[in-house]
Amino acid sequence: SAVISQKPSRDICQRGTSLTIQCQVDSQVTMMFWYRQQPGQSLTLIATANQGSEATYESGFVIDKFPISRPNLTFSTLTVSNMSPEDSSIYLCSSRLGNTIYFGEGSWLTVV
Amino acid sequence: AQSVTQLDSQVPVFEEAPVELRCNYSSSVSVYLFWYVQYPNQGLQLLLKYLSGSTLVKGINGFEAEFNKSQTSFHLRKPSVHISDTAEYFCAVFGNEKLTFGTGTRLTIIP
Repeated sequence: SAVISQKPSRDICQRGTSLTIQCQVDSQVTMMFWYRQQPGQSLTLIATANQGSEATYESGFVIDKFPISRPNLTFSTLTVSNMSPEDSSIYLCSSRLGNTIYFGEGSWLTVV
Repeated sequence: AQSVTQLDSQVPVFEEAPVELRCNYSSSVSVYLFWYVQYPNQGLQLLLKYLSGSTLVKGINGFEAEFNKSQTSFHLRKPSVHISDTAEYFCAVFGNEKLTFGTGTRLTIIP
């Protein structure tokens, strides 16, 4: 299995600011994913981040709002830019190890 | 494209009763199927997965699921639930290098 650590676990952010979430995996993985879970909702894929290439964003998500870095096989960051209250969500990092997708504990962001 | 339908948004069950959480999927390619559980104020934990082979798969905490290819279903079952099973349960399908989630089923255990 894979252990995925995310930082910060929780944060309260001011409107208009940006926050970077870090994701560390205890194994080398090719594929990493970032999801958003809005209050009371299911998980929606933001983007897929493969090491050595640009992240691939899903419909409705753009790089200017959610820039992603993937500098090596165990680490990725997601930045939520120019935050508004609508960005208040849980942001989850996940990775594929073999045939299983593992998740971190999530970063719970509240924008005020 | 692929999609997942969880037919029940909420399921209340008495403690020690059996439960079934329903999941149907659609996909144009072969997929892997997963059930995840999210306890209150926590992240996602993998309950079980179907990759291939035996259609009945067993997971943690006494849960099991049965893959039915003809009905494109992957229902989750537990013969006797406990208060600690109160959580949100998500069915997900992995195909085309993407994991797609259903809308979730909130399982509430009644003492």
